[in-house]
Amino acid sequence: DVKVTQSSRYLVKRTGEKVFLECVQDMDHENMFWYRQDPGLGLRLIYFSYDVKMKEKGDIPEGYSVSREKKERFSLILESASTNQTSMYLCASREWDARKTQYFGPGTRLLVL
Amino acid sequence: QQQVKQSPQSLIVQKGGISIINCAYENTAFDYFPWYQQFPGKGPALLIAIRPDVSEKKEGRFTISFNKSAKQFSLHIMDSQPGDSATYFCAAGMKGYQKVTFGTGTKLQVIP
Repeated sequence: DVKVTQSSRYLVKRTGEKVFLECVQDMDHENMFWYRQDPGLGLRLIYFSYDVKMKEKGDIPEGYSVSREKKERFSLILESASTNQTSMYLCASREWDARKTQYFGPGTRLLVL
Repeated sequence: QQQVKQSPQSLIVQKGGISIINCAYENTAFDYFPWYQQFPGKGPALLIAIRPDVSEKKEGRFTISFNKSAKQFSLHIMDSQPGDSATYFCAAGMKGYQKVTFGTGTKLQVIP
């Protein structure tokens, strides 16, 4: 059974803290994605990676960075957390072809105080 | 041009009724149209998908209807059940373009 796991289900951080969200997939997928989900705004792509050490900006990259040192692991970093980054964060992975199924993790609900 | 517009934002349907969610796209290069289903506390999961070479695809109670000329596609849930209560996302993708574009989601509630 395919699996995408995220390091935390819930996180509470303070404004200005550096936050790391980690995602691991066990399907040997080339592509990995970070989305944030907010009511009424759907799934917005933050960053994605198509190979180790390769990354591309999504639609809302400001305030975020990513790291992919190993194929199975993709990290999202909030350099200095702000209250407007309070959200649900979803990681996903997929084979190279965009017409294949995208597999999502369970999400991390982040609250920045 | 990469947008996918989804409606309605929320939907309440009686048990046994038909739920209909609509999506429209602009980019005619899209050639893959999946629907994802998300239950509370879970990540989205693929429900059903269609390629533009067919006008309809059915899997159980779920049907995608595709209108290439109108650049629209829709999800029909027949005999809707309370267990179908979830958020549904349409999406569009194309060969050679790594990003899949998602709609804004529809929160469906099926009441007994």
